[in-house]
Amino acid sequence: EVQLVESGGGLFQPGGSLRLSCAASGFTFSGYWMHWVRQVPGKGLVWVSRIKSDGSSTNYADSVKGRFTISRDNAKSTLYLQMDSLRAEDTAVYHCARVYNSAYDYWGQGTLVTVSS
Amino acid sequence: DIVMTQSPLSLPVTPGEPASISCRSGQSLLHSNGNNYLHWYLQRPGQSPQLLIYLSSNRASGVPDRFSGSGSGTDFTLIISRVEAEDVGDYYCMQALQTPITFGQGTKLEIK
Repeated sequence: EVQLVESGGGLFQPGGSLRLSCAASGFTFSGYWMHWVRQVPGKGLVWVSRIKSDGSSTNYADSVKGRFTISRDNAKSTLYLQMDSLRAEDTAVYHCARVYNSAYDYWGQGTLVTVSS
Repeated sequence: DIVMTQSPLSLPVTPGEPASISCRSGQSLLHSNGNNYLHWYLQRPGQSPQLLIYLSSNRASGVPDRFSGSGSGTDFTLIISRVEAEDVGDYYCMQALQTPITFGQGTKLEIK
């Protein structure tokens, strides 16, 4: 069974840093592109970042470029999102998602990041 | 960025009746390989989104056949042939032709 389990969320101060993790199981992690998508509670879905299956290519939304870094450890079947210079507007539930035929066929349950002083 | 526009934003439906959601993109999602990079998701209350339709018209694994998708280029439609109570939630279209990947605003389907 495919599972994606995010962790690392919580309450953080503006300007601070954190690293989200997404532990994958039930499939060959190294064979898939992976993405991060966020959602402010009660609002819509917003794409954040993506990484190629071998980690050689990454892309970011303009709103996080230069502040967030996506990475992966295929040996550990884990996806990461390093979030620096946090802003209040980064407050959201962060989902990792697996890509199949350019669509997200599996999503994690999400981890809530709250940025507030 | 490709802007995705859904309508309606709210959709009250009587169980057993059909429902239709429109999604329009700011530019064509038709790739030279013949695929339209348009996908549909349902997010039930309190849950993560789930894939319903990929590449405009392909039902994802385990999705009931009352869900269907159509369209090409810039105009796409999700149709539920007979709405059931479990179909309640927020429906999103998403374009994956280019980054940034963008979503529609969402359509909230409720049961009358």
